[in-house]
Order: sequence, then structure tokens, then C-alpha cells
Amino acid sequence: ILNVEQSPQSLHVQEGDSTNFTCSFPSSNFYALHWYRWETAKSPEALFVMTLNGDEKKKGRISATLNTKEGYSYLYIKGSQPEDSATYLCAFRVGTNAGKSTFGDGTTLTVKP
Amino acid sequence: NAGVMQNPRHLVRRRGQEARLRCSPMKGHSHVYWYRQLPEEGLKFMVYLQKENIIDESGMPKERFSAEFPKEGPSILRIQQVVRGDSAAYFCASSPPAGEQFFGPGTRLTVL
Repeated sequence: ILNVEQSPQSLHVQEGDSTNFTCSFPSSNFYALHWYRWETAKSPEALFVMTLNGDEKKKGRISATLNTKEGYSYLYIKGSQPEDSATYLCAFRVGTNAGKSTFGDGTTLTVKP
Repeated sequence: NAGVMQNPRHLVRRRGQEARLRCSPMKGHSHVYWYRQLPEEGLKFMVYLQKENIIDESGMPKERFSAEFPKEGPSILRIQQVVRGDSAAYFCASSPPAGEQFFGPGTRLTVL
């Protein structure tokens, strides 16, 4: 059984604050780590796919880092805006079954104006 | 290029009826995945299919649930004799082989 854990479970910040959350996953047999943004009543939207240890990806104010040796990834949001409010999911894929993604339960971010 | 399509978006069934959920993958994607989100829970993997093949069904309940992805047409998740506990949002995703998954809008199943 693969455990993908995300912390914190929820986060409330003020507009303009910078924030980050963590995704922990098994460090063996790594294939890929995905980050998704999931707004209420919509479908998960892909943010990043990360495959190499030390990867850093950036899209606007959102960035992510990856450490496959210790089994964690960080997602950072700089200068949070109310429209960033969503649940952020990470999903882990192993090399022996690269098609299957195991999702964490997500971090729900609420940005107050 | 249309995204992943799911229908119906909302489905209401009475206990004991059958539910059929359809998923049309993105053009060029040969792999389909089904996930379930139970109320107040996260996204849980159910099954992963290629055309005419089930690759991994380790997340499927042992009874009443089945999935197929025929050579022609959409993938179908079938739930027989639905019970109230089956009420959930069912999401489909598609990808090229071992590639990034793109999600459909989901089907919200309500069992009365």
C-alpha cells in the first residue's frame, strides 16, 4: 500500500501572504509526482509533473520542488490571491505501475481578501 | 481538441437500479482511469484501462462494480444494484501511455 500524505490538511491565509504545503511519498521506485489544483465543483487541473530529483517547476506565482531521495515535494504560492483558493492535490506514480496514480487527500487553501 | 468528456454530469438512481457512467478520453489518449470521491473524502483510484484491457483494478469494490473500455466508444463504469453508499462523484481521466492525466468534469451519482 502506497501512502501519500499531504500537510497541512487546510490552510487559511490573508491575501498577499506567501504559503507552502508538503507532499510526502515513498522514496523507493519513484516514477513521477504530480500537483493538481482542484476547485469546488470542477475537475482537478494539472499544475506540474515532476520526474527528476531536484526538479523545480514554476507557473506564475506558483512553484514546486522535488526531493525523491527523501520522498517529499513542496508547493509554494507567492502573494496568495483569493482566486488561489482551492484544494491542492499531489499524486505519486511508481516505476512498476506508472499508469496508476495514488493521490494524497489534499491541502485546502482559503485566501481571505 | 475537446477535453475528457463524461456523461451524464448528474445521475439519480433508486436503490437496486443500475448506474452507467460514460467517459470519452481526449483525442489521442489510449488510457483511461476512474476515480471516486466519496462525501468528505479525497480522490481514490478505482481502475485503469487501455483499449479492451483492464490494467489495474485494485481499487474497484469486489462486487457490483465493473469497467470496460471497448475498441470503439467510450469507457463505461457500471454499478449494479446501487446502494446509498455508492453516492459519490466519479471522475474519469485519460492519458497517453504513462503520461500526464487529464480529468473530466465528473459524474455526480445520487442514490435515493
